[in-house]
Amino acid sequence: EAGVVQSPRYKIIEKKQPVAFWCNPISGHNTLYWYRQNLGQGPELLIRYENEEAVDDSQLPKDRFSAERLKGVDSTLKIQPAELGDSAVYLCASSLASGSVNEQFFGPGTRLTVL
Amino acid sequence: GIQVEQSPPDLILQEGANSTLRCNFSDSVNNLQWFHQNPWGQLINLFYIPSGTKQNGRLSATTVATERYSLLYISSSQTTDSGVYFCAVVSLSWNAGGTSYGKLTFGQGTILTVHP
Repeated sequence: EAGVVQSPRYKIIEKKQPVAFWCNPISGHNTLYWYRQNLGQGPELLIRYENEEAVDDSQLPKDRFSAERLKGVDSTLKIQPAELGDSAVYLCASSLASGSVNEQFFGPGTRLTVL
Repeated sequence: GIQVEQSPPDLILQEGANSTLRCNFSDSVNNLQWFHQNPWGQLINLFYIPSGTKQNGRLSATTVATERYSLLYISSSQTTDSGVYFCAVVSLSWNAGGTSYGKLTFGQGTILTVHP
């Protein structure tokens, strides 16, 4: 069974440019998460989707970040415009339907460098 | 929010040695996961363990939820065990609409280096 797929794996952009990350969760997983991992730290949740609904986006910097999950499968996370402090690894994860007992599985991440 | 502390922050071993990594958490949790982040950045699921003990090959984990800690044991370490080990706890949170869901909070990780 395929795991969580993310693309691109690496992205280098100049500040003020836009960037987008794509995620395809494990088949059958209704819940999708986007995390940001800064160097030397653990991942931190940005947004969580139940099917196509964003049920928790409280940690998403909404002035420049946006996300969508059309049709409740693939998801895209966008930053516009990017700032130097956005350099990090952006991880996508998925799990079975909502609830506290569902194991999360992570994709390989997209390493973003903002120059 | 819930606090997750891992120790030690760094650990250097010779191949073949055993080690114990610890994860303390500040409040009741609904579940707990251990991950290994390899040098390429991939988070690999090791254990999903709300309580009790589980074993998988040379690795085992024990969670004592009532005392708010979990331990990860690595026996006969190998160079491929190198990387960062994360503990992440699942606690209930509520969104603005009043729906509860599990929120994963990570510790800072333990950096393990195994020398040949």
